[in-house]
Amino acid sequence: GAVVSQHPSRVICKSGTSVKIECRSLDFQATTMFWYRQFPKQSLMLMATSNEGSKATYEQGVEKDKFLINHASLTLSTLTVTSAHPEDSSFYICSASRQGKQIEQYFGPGTRLTVT
Amino acid sequence: AQKITQTQPGMFVQEKEAVTLDCTYDTSDPSYGLFWYKQPSSGEMIFLIYQGSYDQQNATEGRYSLNFQKARKSANLVISASQLGDSAMYFCAMREGLTNTGNQFYFGTGTSLTVIP
Repeated sequence: GAVVSQHPSRVICKSGTSVKIECRSLDFQATTMFWYRQFPKQSLMLMATSNEGSKATYEQGVEKDKFLINHASLTLSTLTVTSAHPEDSSFYICSASRQGKQIEQYFGPGTRLTVT
Repeated sequence: AQKITQTQPGMFVQEKEAVTLDCTYDTSDPSYGLFWYKQPSSGEMIFLIYQGSYDQQNATEGRYSLNFQKARKSANLVISASQLGDSAMYFCAMREGLTNTGNQFYFGTGTSLTVIP
């Protein structure tokens, strides 16, 4: 089956620093990747839709200058949390749609970010 | 209006019994897909079952079945013969306009299922 990886799985950083999270589709090409944020005991909140070779589409209320998304290739999208603050601590999950199989969406294992 | 509604924040079921997790949806798009995911405490989203809007029969995958009632816009998940390992959060999701990879998923608020030995 299709596999999506995320790196790192856990990261702790100091307030004011930036953190980059990678999302890779390991065995398929992903035209579109999605970035979600999940607070404890809550649902997934879509942050942005990332399309290869173009600018990401951000959901309302998501700061594009704070959450930088780059989708440089068909297998890699990155989310950079800039100048992180404790309120950015959350679980970040990416997912990818496979070319030719638009129905399915494959999720990465998630990245737990803690900002101290 | 909410695209996906899950009205059961928490459910308990006895081991080996069946349990139904409710999900209703709202869309005007004739082409959509309904999904159920399981999220254990580790956080990974595990795909369980899919139902397309044009599918005539209810989807089944092992112990999981989807009770699809199109007129009522409901897509309840039925887990038969519950196991302790089924304890997790369960999310119902919908995707509209299935021919476009860019269309987002809408998630419900989730149901926390606890299986009691």
